[in-house]
Amino acid sequence: EAQVTQNPRYLITVTGKKLTVTCSQNMNHEYMSWYRQDPGLGLRQIYYSMNVEVTDKGDVPEGYKVSRKEKRNFPLILESPSPNQTSLYFCASSPRPKYATNEKLFFGSGTQLSVL
Amino acid sequence: LAKTTQPISMDSYEGQEVNITCSHNNIATNDYITWYQQFPSQGPRFIIQGYKTKVTNEVASLFIPADRKSSTLSLPRVSLSDTAVYYCPLSGGYQKVTFGTGTKLQVIP
Repeated sequence: EAQVTQNPRYLITVTGKKLTVTCSQNMNHEYMSWYRQDPGLGLRQIYYSMNVEVTDKGDVPEGYKVSRKEKRNFPLILESPSPNQTSLYFCASSPRPKYATNEKLFFGSGTQLSVL
Repeated sequence: LAKTTQPISMDSYEGQEVNITCSHNNIATNDYITWYQQFPSQGPRFIIQGYKTKVTNEVASLFIPADRKSSTLSLPRVSLSDTAVYYCPLSGGYQKVTFGTGTKLQVIP
């Protein structure tokens, strides 16, 4: 089944303890992206990747890191989480070829992160 | 980066047709218009996409006027299961995809 898989589904951690949220897609998509969703603020893009080893900042990249060493994986890393990073996180992928704008994003089920 | 504007919320009774409009005054020539649906605690799901005129699939219709500065998602005969948040993001070229806050549709029995 074609899908985007995020893990874990729920995560509770404490301030400053490094964590990684994994994202994997089995559709051979070139484009992958991370979003966070907060009440009243909608979905905001954190980072995106056009292909392996190609990543760039979205609208809210502060406090996050990403890497794209393989086409299928795009982990989100929080080196020193803070309470303001408590949020619902979504990973998405798209087969969008370079320079095309008719993207169709496929989303994972989300990761609910709580930083205490 | 082109920005979209949608109503924050809408209510509709079951069985009615619902039209949700998205304003995108600064849409780029190569931007497609895409609509997504999101249920609580789930990721957004693609509904429909178009460039101009009208597009119809088994779920919805999308109307885009000639100037492409707005688009209307039409959901025929909504049911309670259509209660969700609907987004009309635009691409920032081929890079950023900005979703915004969407339109929360509440279907009433």
